Amino acid sequence: GDSVTQMEGPVTLSEEAFLTINCTYTATGYPSLFWYVQYPGEGLQLLLKATKADDKGSNKGFEATYRKETTSFHLEKGSVQVSDSAVYFCALHAGGTSYGKLTFGQGTILTVHP
Amino acid sequence: KAGVTQTPRYLIKTRGQQVTLSCSPISGHRSVSWYQQTPGQGLQFLFEYFSETQRNKGNFPGRFSGRQFSNSRSEMNVSTLELGDSALYLCASSGGQGIGITEAFFGQGTRLTVV
Repeated sequence: GDSVTQMEGPVTLSEEAFLTINCTYTATGYPSLFWYVQYPGEGLQLLLKATKADDKGSNKGFEATYRKETTSFHLEKGSVQVSDSAVYFCALHAGGTSYGKLTFGQGTILTVHP
Repeated sequence: KAGVTQTPRYLIKTRGQQVTLSCSPISGHRSVSWYQQTPGQGLQFLFEYFSETQRNKGNFPGRFSGRQFSNSRSEMNVSTLELGDSALYLCASSGGQGIGITEAFFGQGTRLTVV
């Protein structure tokens, strides 16, 4: 079945450090890929998305490129801020008859220190 | 535009009871999905409704059920509650007319605690 694997956390960085959170997926066909962020006590917010191979999603300084050859969608940010501290989820939508179903990775806790 | 609204935000129930959670999607959205979030299992898909029809269902026991009304509002019900049902229940809405998702918007969730 479809699955998403994220790098284990937690990840702790100093402000202005470079961030990478790895995400790989297994799916048949051509899934759409997403990164969601969850702040404490909140629901999930869409951070960025990519719907086909080689697409680059970007938002608020975060970027991720849909790499079909390596089945990856790694999240990067050049300079993190304390306000980026949150839990980050990689997800896929498999298409076909996967109506409304997102498959999520386990989440990566990011803590950024001043 | 108002976001996805889930009520109540917090619930405490006793084992064996039943509970109903509510979700109002973004205006114009016809697809509503439900997820269970726990520390051990992460985010797991429960089911999805579109125009009052369940189109997809995850691997949960029959104690978990849902429905959608003509105004796209959705409810999920859990009967005979177990301690393991304690979780954050998230609702997501999307345009959903086709088979894909371009963007799903999540509510803040309902925190259910079973004692």
